[in-house]
Amino acid sequence: RKEVEQDPGPFNVPEGATVAFNCTYSNSASQSFFWYRQDCRKEPKLLMSVYSSGNEDGRFTAQLNRASQYISLLIRDSKLSDSATYLCVVNMEGTALIFGKGTTLSVSS
Amino acid sequence: SAVISQKPSRDICQRGTSLTIQCQVDSQVTMMFWYRQQPGQSLTLIATANQGSEATYESGFVIDKFPISRPNLTFSTLTVSNMSPEDSSIYLCSVQEIADTQYFGPGTRLTVL
Repeated sequence: RKEVEQDPGPFNVPEGATVAFNCTYSNSASQSFFWYRQDCRKEPKLLMSVYSSGNEDGRFTAQLNRASQYISLLIRDSKLSDSATYLCVVNMEGTALIFGKGTTLSVSS
Repeated sequence: SAVISQKPSRDICQRGTSLTIQCQVDSQVTMMFWYRQQPGQSLTLIATANQGSEATYESGFVIDKFPISRPNLTFSTLTVSNMSPEDSSIYLCSVQEIADTQYFGPGTRLTVL
């Protein structure tokens, strides 16, 4: 079983749509959780950390369910500029990050 | 967050040669890492670059193929040795800051002919 699994997509949505990405992780000892965004031919950039209580940053909401080992990212009111690959990332304390393969989002006008 | 630069940004190399990639950070950081991202794939950790000691390699990666230096807290190099076309990839360095967050350099795009 892969350590971090994501639906690869692509998700093709119109501007203004709400879209949700899901991610599952296999290691219950994982302690830190993140969503990164990667644009084509660019390095990954931190979008947001994911906290147990859930957290929101503008149009982006992240949720964590430790019991189900499940992470989600919700994007409201999608913009053209949201088109990118979204990487689900986990780690255990003191170790390097483990990346999912990413979910591709394409927002069209 | 730290500002990270990598050199070269891209290179095209011949089979059997070696390439050294440099990673420079604008502040002192404890943890630095090297990743590889093959075409269409996600990132895979190669090794943790330890300052003052040998790098810690992940399964499938060995020092003879990917020697790493970390002479101080702001700089590291990764060498891809005896290259083959299978080594064509993007190589990224990253640094770890508070709360386990990591920030990445712009990457080095390597093509081996």
